[in-house]
Parts: sequence; C-alpha cells; structure tokens
Amino acid sequence: SAVISQKPSRDICQRGTSLTIQCQVDSQVTMMFWYRQQPGQSLTLIATANQGSEATYESGFVIDKFPISRPNLTFSTLTVSNMSPEDSSIYLCSVEYGIQNIQYFGAGTRLSVL
Amino acid sequence: LAKTTQPISMDSYEGQEVNITCSHNNIATNDYITWYQQFPSQGPRFIIQGYKTKVTNEVASLFIPADRKSSTLSLPRVSLSDTAVYYCLCISNFGNEKLTFGTGTRLTIIP
Repeated sequence: SAVISQKPSRDICQRGTSLTIQCQVDSQVTMMFWYRQQPGQSLTLIATANQGSEATYESGFVIDKFPISRPNLTFSTLTVSNMSPEDSSIYLCSVEYGIQNIQYFGAGTRLSVL
Repeated sequence: LAKTTQPISMDSYEGQEVNITCSHNNIATNDYITWYQQFPSQGPRFIIQGYKTKVTNEVASLFIPADRKSSTLSLPRVSLSDTAVYYCLCISNFGNEKLTFGTGTRLTIIP
C-alpha cells in the first residue's frame, strides 16, 4: 500500500485569503487526485495531477480557483484561492498504487472559511 | 464508469452479520467491483475488490453473482467500530482512472 501525508490537517481561514494543501506520498506514483468532500456529502473529484504536465480539472472546477502543482512523483499541492465560506469543506488527495489499481487516500484537510 | 446504487443508510446491532448490496447494471467487462470504508474525519480506506464469485479477506467478504450486475459486501459480526460510510465503485483495470463516488451507505452499529 501507499502511505499519504496531508498538511495541514485542518485550518480556519479568513475570506479572501488562500490556503495551500500539501500531499506527500511514500512511493513514486504517476497520477495524484484531489477531491473535495462537503459536510455529510460524498467525494467530488476536483482534478487529476500528472507529473510534468498541467492538471486536468473536472467540470465546475477551474485552475484560477484551485491551482495545482506536481513538481515530482511523490508530491503535489492544491491551493484554494480567494476563499469564501462556500469553500469550507474537506479536501483529500489520493494516489493509485499497486497492481490492483487501488486508490489510497490521505486523511484530508478540514478547511473552515469565516 | 458504471453508476452504482446503494441504500442510503442501514442500522445493525453489534455481533450481527451485515450485508450491503450495490447495484451496477451497466458494469463494463474490464471493471472490478471495489468497496471503500470511510470513518468520520478520515479519507476512504480500501476494503475489498473482486471481479466475480466470492472474495474474502480479513475484513469482509464480497459476493458477486454471475451477471455481475450487483454485489454484496458482507461484514461478519460487526462491532461499534464498523460504524462508517461504505462506498461501492466499479473501477477499470486499465489504471489511472478517476473515481466517481456515489452517495455510499451510512452504516450505524447499535450497542
């Protein structure tokens, strides 16, 4: 299995500011995925990050709002820009690893925007 | 990606066997049926995966009929710590696939 570390685990931010969430994996992986999970809801994919290329965003998510970096095969960041209370959510990263194509998830970052 | 349908919620008493059924009528030939478990304040955790018939590991069993249009996750002798949301997904074996999570089944274990 792959072990994923996310930082910060939680944060409280002011409206209009930005927060960068880090995701570190203990193995080299081709693709990393970023999800959002609003309170009591299921997970929604934000974007897929492939090392060495631009991230691919899902419908409803744009690069200006959620810029992603993928500088190497073990690390990625997601920035939530110009935050509003509607961005309050849990943000999770995941990676696919192993022969069964299983995805492993970080513990998530719980973001509250005031 | 095959759409999955599960019960929104289930309750069960400690010590009982719990069976959660998932419907996936449009499952593709290359899809594997995969179940995740999510506790509050944690990311989803892989439980079990199968293609057909029965798969068993230390956590659960997965029953898949011959037509593969449904599957049943079986949790033997549940405890309070099994209270979680359980997600059923159909995932291609091609790899690097984005996952589409449905609503999941919120399982509550009653003492």
